[in-house]
Amino acid sequence: GAVVSQHPSRVICKSGTSVKIECRSLDFQATTMFWYRQFPKQSLMLMATSNEGSKATYEQGVEKDKFLINHASLTLSTLTVTSAHPEDSSFYICSARGLAGGNQETQYFGPGTRLLVL
Amino acid sequence: AQSVTQLGSHVSVSEGALVLLRCNYSSSVPPYLFWYVQYPNQGLQLLLKYTSAATLVKGINGFEAEFKKSETSFHLTKPSAHMSDAAEYFCAVSGGFNKFYFGSGTKLNVKP
Repeated sequence: GAVVSQHPSRVICKSGTSVKIECRSLDFQATTMFWYRQFPKQSLMLMATSNEGSKATYEQGVEKDKFLINHASLTLSTLTVTSAHPEDSSFYICSARGLAGGNQETQYFGPGTRLLVL
Repeated sequence: AQSVTQLGSHVSVSEGALVLLRCNYSSSVPPYLFWYVQYPNQGLQLLLKYTSAATLVKGINGFEAEFKKSETSFHLTKPSAHMSDAAEYFCAVSGGFNKFYFGSGTKLNVKP
């Protein structure tokens, strides 16, 4: 079946540094990718919608200059957390939407990336 | 606008008992509805989805859910709970396969 991967699976960084998270659709082309954040013991909150070749659309309250999203190809989107602070520590999950398994459009979630900012 | 409400942040059942996790949705467009399971420190696994076909949807691991438009509900059930079902379950709604809006989650505890 269709698979979405994320890299790295977990990362620890120092406050003030930037961290890049990759999201790849492995066996289908993703016209749209989504980035979610999940704080401990909470639900997933949509951060932004990323379309290949265009600027991402951010949800209200999400700082676009802090969370840089690049959807450079139909199989890759990246989320860069710039000047990370401890409050950015969270579980970041991407999802990819596209045609998989024939003509059926669907959306698949990646396994998530756990970010810890010290 | 779309949203999901999951009633009960924690549900506890005995092994072999019926599992019922409640989800009510609000959507201004015909909804697509999903149930996901999340084990500790892991990503989301799709249990089942409703995309405007049959209203009774069967998923993996013996779970099923029924879409009831009149009640704006999409409750998840399983006839007999297994210890391995203990996890957190999320209901989600989207318009097509666009943005997903997740409920707050329900932690299922299965007692031996």
